[in-house]
Amino acid sequence: EDKVVQSPLSLVVHEGDTVTLNCSYEVTNFRSLLWYKQEKKAPTFLFMLTSSGIEKKSGRLSSILDKKELSSILNITATQTGDSAIYLCAGAGGTSYGKLTFGQGTILTVHP
Amino acid sequence: DGGITQSPKYLFRKEGQNVTLSCEQNLNHDAMYWYRQDPGQGLRLIYYSQIVNDFQKGDIAEGYSVSREKKESFPLTVTSAQKNPTAFYLCASSRGQGSPNYGYTFGSGTRLTVV
Repeated sequence: EDKVVQSPLSLVVHEGDTVTLNCSYEVTNFRSLLWYKQEKKAPTFLFMLTSSGIEKKSGRLSSILDKKELSSILNITATQTGDSAIYLCAGAGGTSYGKLTFGQGTILTVHP
Repeated sequence: DGGITQSPKYLFRKEGQNVTLSCEQNLNHDAMYWYRQDPGQGLRLIYYSQIVNDFQKGDIAEGYSVSREKKESFPLTVTSAQKNPTAFYLCASSRGQGSPNYGYTFGSGTRLTVV
């Protein structure tokens, strides 16, 4: 059975702090790892990582995949209150249609 | 605009009732999925379908049923056998490999509460 584990489960920081969210995976026929941000309703896509060691960046967010360690990290620098959300990690493998296995999520709370 | 429509946004169920959640997409995606999310937690897969008239159980299928009679539609029925149905339900569809993000698109969700 495929499994994705995230840590920490929750995190409280102050504006301006830098945070690192962790994701480890055991996914049969692994293809990609995806990160999402969820604020109220539908998750919003952040990154899709397929190759090990290549960092993807978008503004203050960045992520990297380590296929040897079966893990990924999501970094957020200079956090803002608008970064408060649940961050979801998901592994894609097996079928070609992109069935995703999600982790439990990390609840990030950023205080002013 | 293309997208996924879930309805209703909020649903209240009495004990012993079956309820059906609607999910419709106009993205021409082959694959569709139903996820359940409990407060402060990740998404767990209930059922998924890769093609019309075919679907597979996910990790937590007990107490749920689905149908896929049309490519555009993938309704989920929460039966009375589901003992703890209060949760947020998300429908998704995907285009599959070769597309950025697999072309994964989420609906805006249905919040189901047992009263």
